[in-house]
Amino acid sequence: EVQLVESGGGLVEPGGSLRLSCTVSGLTFRDAWMMWVRQVPGKGLEWVGRIKSKASGGTIEYAAPVEGRFIISRDDSKNTVYLQMNSLKTEDTAVYYCCHDMNSYFEAVHWGQGTLVAVPS
Amino acid sequence: DIQLTQSPSFLSASVGDRVTITCRASQGISTFLAWYQLKPGKAPKLLIYGASTLQSGVPSRFSGSGSGTEFTLTISSLQPEDFASYYCQQSRAFGQGTKVEIK
Repeated sequence: EVQLVESGGGLVEPGGSLRLSCTVSGLTFRDAWMMWVRQVPGKGLEWVGRIKSKASGGTIEYAAPVEGRFIISRDDSKNTVYLQMNSLKTEDTAVYYCCHDMNSYFEAVHWGQGTLVAVPS
Repeated sequence: DIQLTQSPSFLSASVGDRVTITCRASQGISTFLAWYQLKPGKAPKLLIYGASTLQSGVPSRFSGSGSGTEFTLTISSLQPEDFASYYCQQSRAFGQGTKVEIK
């Protein structure tokens, strides 16, 4: 069974930083392309970014609203993908999900349970 | 960037109803479209990918169709557990969602 377990969410002041972790089991992590997607409370889904496997070049992409502030990385020895969030804004308040890009088309069947990041105004 | 427009944003339906949700892309995307179901407090659930391929384990009352710029998600006979929000996705873009509520 594939499992993705996120951690690291919480309350952080505007301008602060937070690092989310997502530990994966049940699939060959080193071959996995991983994504972060967020959902603002009461609103829709927003793609945050993606990191390819090292074998595929390790390319990292970001959505425009987070480019330059968020950093995605991976540690294949720990089966973990990270989302370092810096210069946080109130509009970054959301539930953050990690998920597995199952076919390189950004489509994800396996998702974590989500972790809430709250940046108060 | 591709924009996805879903309609309706909200619909009220009864158990047993046939429900259709539309997703329109701002440019042609072949069949690179997925549909997800979202329920409060739960992770998104992939229903359909490749516009019409039913994800394993998803009930057959769900179906997807379309190509190019217009796509539909159909629930042939709405069940109580289907009251949720539905989102289309193409690459980095998501539609704004359709909330299906009980009439």
